[in-house]
Amino acid sequence: GAVVSQHPSRVICKSGTSVKIECRSLDFQATTMFWYRQFPKQSLMLMATSNEGSKATYEQGVEKDKFLINHASLTLSTLTVTSAHPEDSSFYICSARDDRAQNSPLHFGNGTRLTVT
Amino acid sequence: GDSVTQMEGPVTLSEEAFLTINCTYTATGYPSLFWYVQYPGEGLQLLLKATKADDKGSNKGFEATYRKETTSFHLEKGSVQVSDSAVYFCALSDLGGGADGLTFGKGTHLIIQP
Repeated sequence: GAVVSQHPSRVICKSGTSVKIECRSLDFQATTMFWYRQFPKQSLMLMATSNEGSKATYEQGVEKDKFLINHASLTLSTLTVTSAHPEDSSFYICSARDDRAQNSPLHFGNGTRLTVT
Repeated sequence: GDSVTQMEGPVTLSEEAFLTINCTYTATGYPSLFWYVQYPGEGLQLLLKATKADDKGSNKGFEATYRKETTSFHLEKGSVQVSDSAVYFCALSDLGGGADGLTFGKGTHLIIQP
């Protein structure tokens, strides 16, 4: 089945540094990918829609300068958390939909646990 | 707007017990319904889905029936295993959903004890 690979699975960084998280669709092309944030024991919160070849669309309340999204190819989207602070510590998950099947369910990555010290 | 309501957890059961996790929804249109499962430290996996009324989705011994009259999509399993311990999310896909087309419930943490 369709696989979405997310890397790294865990990252620890110091406050003030930037962290890049990659989301790849391994066996399908995805013009659109999505980034979520999940707090402990909470549901997923959609942060932004990543669009190949154009700017990302951010949900209300999400700082676009803080969470930089680049969708450079049909199989790769990256989320960069800039100038990270401890409050950015969270579980970040990406998802993608196969371009060949727009009505198919989303495929999710395994998430990235970010800890900012 | 759309919304999904799930029973709050954690739900703790013994191995081989019968499982029901309730899910009800409100939607502006005629949604598709999903159950996703999240194992510890992982992302979400699609468990099952149903796209129209009276459809039954099933996978790995889990079942859920799309009940339009009661706007429900309860998840059931006849005999749970320790390996079923996870967080289960009910979700719908509709025109009234988010940019990703999905509206998630808050999740139900299921704990199965041996």
